[in-house]
Amino acid sequence: SQQGEEDPQALSIQEGENATMNCSYKTSINNLQWYRQNSGRGLVHLILIRSNEREKHSGRLRVTLDTSKKSSSLLITASRAADTASYFCATCRFDSWGKLQFGAGTQVVVTP
Amino acid sequence: EAGVAQSPRYKIIEKRQSVAFWCNPISGHATLYWYQQILGQGPKLLIQFQNNGVVDDSQLPKDRFSAERLKGVDSTLKIQPAKLEDSAVYLCASSTRATNEKLFFGSGTQLSVL
Repeated sequence: SQQGEEDPQALSIQEGENATMNCSYKTSINNLQWYRQNSGRGLVHLILIRSNEREKHSGRLRVTLDTSKKSSSLLITASRAADTASYFCATCRFDSWGKLQFGAGTQVVVTP
Repeated sequence: EAGVAQSPRYKIIEKRQSVAFWCNPISGHATLYWYQQILGQGPKLLIQFQNNGVVDDSQLPKDRFSAERLKGVDSTLKIQPAKLEDSAVYLCASSTRATNEKLFFGSGTQLSVL
């Protein structure tokens, strides 16, 4: 079974707009990670947020984590066509270092 | 730094045939993972190695799937015999504690079982 559930399943925006996607999970976690997957390629790590953190930034990415609601959000600001990809959240539990459980992903299309 | 290498890139077989995938992780990465990604879904962990020992293979269908990591470096994943529902992308990933728990993925092997 998959731990994370992303919402929405698909998102279509224009260049320059912001893209927000959400992830909900079921059990307590050590950290939550976001990955990007371009079509036909492997996953690329974007950002990791630990259970004792509430917000992290990396370039145009902003991730929040609410452990009380068991949810996280990924915001991509000023999107570009190159941001077109699928985005996955993945959770890591305290008792399973390195073992990630992925959600089904959000497919983002950015049109010029 | 070289990334995770996987081969072949694509494989088409008929059901009941056997197939093998190969993975070479990033040099020095002690932990190696095989994930299965069915179209439209997120990756699902099949097996996790720490050096040449198995950490977790609870989701590996052991009646048909096998994996090994000889000498704690390269790994092979085998399916014998393949079923239609095995059609998926098989992703290999590696990590080390020094990389702060993030995984590095290869480009995957896309398997089609006809």
